[in-house]
Amino acid sequence: DAGVIQSPRHEVTEMGQEVTLRCKPISGHNSLFWYRQTMMRGLELLIYFNNNVPIDDSGMPEDRFSAKMPNASFSTLKIQPSEPRDSAVYFCASSSEPPTPQFFGPGTRLTVL
Amino acid sequence: DQQVKQNSPSLSVQEGRISILNCDYTNSMFDYFLWYKKYPAEGPTFLISISSIKDKNEDGRFTVFLNKSAKHLSLHIVPSQPGDSAVYFCAAPDDYKLSFGAGTTVTVRA
Repeated sequence: DAGVIQSPRHEVTEMGQEVTLRCKPISGHNSLFWYRQTMMRGLELLIYFNNNVPIDDSGMPEDRFSAKMPNASFSTLKIQPSEPRDSAVYFCASSSEPPTPQFFGPGTRLTVL
Repeated sequence: DQQVKQNSPSLSVQEGRISILNCDYTNSMFDYFLWYKKYPAEGPTFLISISSIKDKNEDGRFTVFLNKSAKHLSLHIVPSQPGDSAVYFCAAPDDYKLSFGAGTTVTVRA
């Protein structure tokens, strides 16, 4: 299995631009998670999908952030407009029905100038 | 309030010796625990887990011990290898939400 796939691995953009991060979960997993990692706050859960349905988006910082999961094999996290404080590493993870291990992707390092 | 705590931010061990990483938790409802390993610029990698019905789980060089009465778990790596140098996180799920410890950076010296 290829594991969780994320793209791009690195993204550098200017303030005000739209950013879209992509994730392909492990085949057969029905839970998908988006996390953000910063030095100050560690790993924060942004949103959780189960069977393609958003279950908990309470971690999404503000309306500039949105996430979709149109099918079982693809999810996006969009930031519009982006701001410098959004600079962080964004991880996608997937799992079978909790509680089972979450498997993380390699992350997307986002830099907003 | 941090429900999972790793009080040792770093550990240095000689190659071939045992590494022991510790983790404490406060939520007595936790019944499943995981250890992750993370290299710089990579995502956390799942290492090993343990259910609260067990007090030990072993996978190759990695063994996790659980002491429910003390709300404490530990990860033993024997023998330690240079490739084990990484940050190790313990974690526990509350339903779907994973509570992570702050991590312990392990350095294996040749």
